[in-house]
Amino acid sequence: GESVGLHLPTLSVQEGDNSIINCAYSNSASDYFIWYKQESGKGPQFIIDIRSNMDKRQGQRVTVLLNKTVKHLSLQIAATQPGDSAVYFCAETSYGNKLVFGAGTILRVKS
Amino acid sequence: ETGVTQTPRHLVMGMTNKKSLKCEQHLGHNAMYWYKQSAKKPLELMFVYNFKEQTENNSVPSRFSPECPNSSHLFLHLHTLQPEDSALYLCASSQEQGWRGGYTFGSGTRLTVV
Repeated sequence: GESVGLHLPTLSVQEGDNSIINCAYSNSASDYFIWYKQESGKGPQFIIDIRSNMDKRQGQRVTVLLNKTVKHLSLQIAATQPGDSAVYFCAETSYGNKLVFGAGTILRVKS
Repeated sequence: ETGVTQTPRHLVMGMTNKKSLKCEQHLGHNAMYWYKQSAKKPLELMFVYNFKEQTENNSVPSRFSPECPNSSHLFLHLHTLQPEDSALYLCASSQEQGWRGGYTFGSGTRLTVV
């Protein structure tokens, strides 16, 4: 069945370093992907999205990379800050269908 | 504030109680969702409403009963819950079901069943 999974449940990085959070998906029909950030006590917040006709998209300090060949998605955070500490989820969908969320990766930023 | 408001933020209820969770959005969205979030598990979709019509019930036990009186409000009525129902219940909305802009989530209701 469809599934979206994360390789690493917890990632610890030093403040100022770059972070890379990975996600694998299994539905080859998926054509739209989103990264969400969930801080403690809050609901998931949209960070960045990418459509399958792209392989890279940049936002403010964040970059999402999509490799459709191996069905892999990653979120890169530049110059990681303490405020980036949160759980990060990837989600995928194909046209007209519901979002399928991964289990999440905890990002801990060490000062 | 994301534009999706959930109340209460925290709820403790006994297994014989009846309570309701409320979700409200004024984003002009037409689809609303209930999710259950348990520790170390992916978000579990429970119900979907699109233009006030329920379009999805993800095999949710009947002790959870949703209600969507209009596109801006969504309720989750709870009765005779079990301790394993303790979780964070998240409401989300989107322009419509299947919309490519992603979902906007509320902050959730932390439910504890004792």
